[in-house]
Amino acid sequence: QSVLTQPPSVSGAPGQRVTFSCTGTSSNLGAGYDVHWYQEVPGAAPKLLIYSDTLRPSGVPDRFSGSKSATSASLAITGLQVQDEAVYYCQSYDTSLRGLLFGGGTELTVL
Amino acid sequence: QVQVVQSGAEVKTPGSSVKVSCKISGYTSNIFGINWVRRAPGQGFQWVGWINVYNGNTDSTQSLRDRVTLTAETSTNIAYMELNSLTSDDTALYYCGLATRKTHLDFWGQGTLVSV
Repeated sequence: QSVLTQPPSVSGAPGQRVTFSCTGTSSNLGAGYDVHWYQEVPGAAPKLLIYSDTLRPSGVPDRFSGSKSATSASLAITGLQVQDEAVYYCQSYDTSLRGLLFGGGTELTVL
Repeated sequence: QVQVVQSGAEVKTPGSSVKVSCKISGYTSNIFGINWVRRAPGQGFQWVGWINVYNGNTDSTQSLRDRVTLTAETSTNIAYMELNSLTSDDTALYYCGLATRKTHLDFWGQGTLVSV
């Protein structure tokens, strides 16, 4: 089945650590395909945060980190800041779809 | 710094076609691709297709393959997505993104709203 499942929302207080989960299937993450993470701030274009499971593009703070295991992946943010409020999407390749597949996104609220 | 700039919003009638452009600037290599994705109102991201700007190879999602044409001009670093036989289901925000690898979008454009 071609799906990446993300919880609809997470929240945390400034300074805390939050994690975002992304659960895939045997046709995407379970098949060994990389996961990538994007941040979408309202009114702005999405921004690549993590690529190839764990790598940060230049300019992305090391507060952001990624991990992957079997059919699951996670994005972690440490030292949470108000400006981190956004929707976070995971994305991978899916063999059944034969193309890129996005999760539904998780909205982060900084309390 | 890399910039990805898309053409402006389009309003189309059912059955017509739309062509969206995507200009890449500030990227130092001429070997890259462009991924196109779209997001319909209230829906998630859907991958539309990919083009290798260097050699013109393309790939697209099966559901749109008969209606989408992806092209690129290497001299200007502009990519185009043309979608034919539009229906109301094609109403969406269309994004292009520079893809150093086909697998993801490194830099996103601002999006182009296509209303049918």
